[in-house]
Amino acid sequence: DVKVTQSSRYLVKRTGEKVFLECVQDMDHENMFWYRQDPGLGLRLIYFSYDVKMKEKGDIPEGYSVSREKKERFSLILESASTNQTSMYLCASSLERGASGNYEQYFGPGTRLTVT
Amino acid sequence: AQSVTQPDIHITVSEGASLELRCNYSYGATPYLFWYVQSPGQGLQLLLKYFSGDTLVQGIKGFEAEFKRSQSSFNLRKPSVHWSDAAEYFCAVGYNTDKLIFGTGTRLQVFP
Repeated sequence: DVKVTQSSRYLVKRTGEKVFLECVQDMDHENMFWYRQDPGLGLRLIYFSYDVKMKEKGDIPEGYSVSREKKERFSLILESASTNQTSMYLCASSLERGASGNYEQYFGPGTRLTVT
Repeated sequence: AQSVTQPDIHITVSEGASLELRCNYSYGATPYLFWYVQSPGQGLQLLLKYFSGDTLVQGIKGFEAEFKRSQSSFNLRKPSVHWSDAAEYFCAVGYNTDKLIFGTGTRLQVFP
């Protein structure tokens, strides 16, 4: 059974703290994604990684960075957390797009981050 | 810019009633289409997908969706809703990249 895990389900941090969100997949997928989910806004892509040490900015990268040192692990970093980063963060992975088109993304359970 | 529209933010149905959730995409080329479901506090689970071929696709949990090229739509349907179907539903499209574009979601509430 495919699995994407995230290090925490709930996290409370203070303004200005450095925050690490970890995501691990066991499917040997090339692609990994970090999304932010807010009510009424759906899922917005923060960063995308298509290979180890390779990354691409998504729609809302400001205030975030990422790290992918191993194929199975993709970390999201909030260098200095702010209250407007309070949100649900979802990690996903997928195979590299093939000749038949996009492969589906598999999602982790999410991390609900509160910044106070 | 490519976009996905789910025009219904919130839908309420009675248990046993039929359901249709709407999804429209903006780009001209035929995309790859997905429907996901998210139960409260959970991640997203794939319900079904369309890549090519038969425009009516069957998914898990008794859901189906129909791709209509002329209407740029991929609506999700279920003939008889169960209380456990209460969740948020997301439509997503992919083009010739590895990324997907998600709609803003439709929250389904089911009354007994």
